[in-house]
This record gives sequence, structure tokens and C-alpha cells, in this order.
Amino acid sequence: QQQVKQSPQSLIVQKGGISIINCAYENTAFDYFPWYQQFPGKGPALLIAIRPDVSEKKEGRFTISFNKSAKQFSLHIMDSQPGDSATYFCAASRTAGTASKLTFGTGTRLQVTL
Amino acid sequence: NAGVMQNPRHLVRRRGQEARLRCSPMKGHSHVYWYRQLPEEGLKFMVYLQKENIIDESGMPKERFSAEFPKEGPSILRIQQVVRGDSAAYFCASSRQGVDAGELFFGEGSRLTVL
Repeated sequence: QQQVKQSPQSLIVQKGGISIINCAYENTAFDYFPWYQQFPGKGPALLIAIRPDVSEKKEGRFTISFNKSAKQFSLHIMDSQPGDSATYFCAASRTAGTASKLTFGTGTRLQVTL
Repeated sequence: NAGVMQNPRHLVRRRGQEARLRCSPMKGHSHVYWYRQLPEEGLKFMVYLQKENIIDESGMPKERFSAEFPKEGPSILRIQQVVRGDSAAYFCASSRQGVDAGELFFGEGSRLTVL
């Protein structure tokens, strides 16, 4: 019940296009859903996060859509740029209690072409 | 304010040797998490520590792996008698109050190669 499934594994998008990455989770106790961005040779960095009391959160060109009944959430990158080329990880956690930890998806390698 | 500092960044060990990976959390952070990332895979949780306490080690292999976060000094992930399958990037992350209070800040990782 700790799995987070992420798709696609890799994605190629033209500059200016929309990149969409999807995640699904099993554990209904999860209540915090962040997305992390990782460049080669670097550690992951938080991009945007959502809690299940809202269905959408937007920060600049990045939007999370959340569907609680379907246990799915997705990252949309509008007007994708070559600088967005990176690996993106969704994650989830159950924040109640004292031992909360993030469970990560397997990652999506995004390449934005000119 | 320096970020999460991990060292060494790269470590090469022969089978059977010991590997020690160090992590200094961000200033003011008392929660430390260790994750392992295999090539082309996601990050797998290993252990969650607070100062002098292991909170959750459910992701740690039962043998050869240990972690500590002493009152003074960095957190250390220790791998004894390394095997080729231990080759991976090991990431440390820290937070001020744990996951529920906000983001985890990750270091740049320690890449272990076992020959």
C-alpha cells in the first residue's frame, strides 16, 4: 500500500508545448503530494506540492491536478522550455503521526526540444 | 545558509570494504532522511532519524547497513562489507519539522561504486 506509480517513464516535448506527467497512489491515508525536479548529478528539489483539500494548484508554469476519488495526481508544465529538461518525481506521504516519510514514484525523464 | 552537505560526493570501494557516507543537514534542521537511488530508478526510503534517535528504519536492509545522527556532528550512513549491488547514489534530505511541516531539502548525493 506504499506504492506510487508514475508514467510515462520518459517524455519528449517540443518547446512551447505542454508536458503532462501522471501519478497514481494506493494508500488512501496519503495526504501530501509533492513533485520534485532533479537535474543530472544533483539532488531532487521541490517544485510544487498539493494537499487533498484542493483539486488544483498552480505556480507559474507548473500546475498540479489532483483527483482524490481516482487516487491520481498529475503535473502539467505549460510552455515547456529546454531548461525544464530534467527528471521529475512525484511523491506522497501520510503526514499524521511522527514518522511521516515520502514515498517516491519511479521518475519521468523529460526532454524539451527546440 | 548552506544547503544539505553530503560527503564524499563519489566513493569507490572494493567488495568487502566499508563505506561511510556523511550528511550535514541544513542549519536548524533536526530531521534527516536517507534515500537510495539506483540507476534509472526512483528514490527508495531507507531511514529517518532525529538527533540521537532512529525514528523509522523500515527501508534499511537488515544486515550490513546502519545509520546514526549523533547529538553533535553529521548523520552517518554506514555500509559494511559492501557488495556490487550496493552501488547507487545515496541522498540525504533534511527538514525542520518533518515531512508534514513542509519540504525536504536534498543534498547532491554520494555516489558509491563497488568494484
